[in-house]
Amino acid sequence: QKEVEQNSGPLSVPEGAIASLNCTYSDRGSQSFFWYRQYSGKSPELIMSIYSNGDKEDGRFTAQLNKASQYVSLLIRDSQPSDSATYLCAVRVLGFGNEKLTFGTGTRLTIIP
Amino acid sequence: GAVVSQHPSRVICKSGTSVKIECRSLDFQATTMFWYRQFPKQSLMLMATSNEGSKATYEQGVEKDKFLINHASLTLSTLTVTSAHPEDSSFYICSVGGNEQFFGPGTRLTVL
Repeated sequence: QKEVEQNSGPLSVPEGAIASLNCTYSDRGSQSFFWYRQYSGKSPELIMSIYSNGDKEDGRFTAQLNKASQYVSLLIRDSQPSDSATYLCAVRVLGFGNEKLTFGTGTRLTIIP
Repeated sequence: GAVVSQHPSRVICKSGTSVKIECRSLDFQATTMFWYRQFPKQSLMLMATSNEGSKATYEQGVEKDKFLINHASLTLSTLTVTSAHPEDSSFYICSVGGNEQFFGPGTRLTVL
C-alpha cells in the first residue's frame, strides 16, 4: 500500500463548478498535511496546509482533514481555467527529528471553460 | 513563505560529465534543505536531506557517490550529478522551510 494515495485523474470540471480532490494516507502518526499545485513544467507551489481535524478555508480553497478516516481533501470553489494543474497531496509524520514530506502521485485537474 | 532560487534553470550536458545545481534560500536560514527528483508524469521523489555543516542523508536507492550534496552555509546547498547518464535526465527541485516547505523553481537536466 502506498503511503499517500491520490486518484491520478484526469479530473475534468466545468468552469464555475466545485472541484473535489481526495487523498488518503496510511500512517496514523501523520500530523501535517499539505496541498501543492504544480503547473506543467513548473515546481510545486504550496496552496494549503492543515493540521487538525475539520475544515480550513482560504479564499476559494477549502482543505478538509479527517484523521480517523485517514483522508484529506481539497475543494476548489468557482473553478477557473487557471486552476488547471496537477494537485499534489503531501503528508509529514513528526517525531523523528526530520521534516520529510511524502507526496502522492498527484491528481491532474482540468477546468473546462 | 520562503523564497528559493535554483541555478541553472536548465542544463544540457554530454554523458559522462558532471553537473552542479545550486539551491539558494534567499530569506530563510536553512539548516536543512531537501532535494527531489521528478520524472515526466510522476510525482516528486525525495533524494536526500541536505544538512548544513554535516553530511547529507540519502534516501534508499539513491547513490551518495553519484549525487554529491554540499550544504556549506545556511543559504546554499549544491547537488552535483557526477558522471551523468541519460537516465539521470530529470527535473531536480530543492525545498526549504520549517513545517511548510517551499520549492525552488527547479532545474531541468538533459543528458545526451
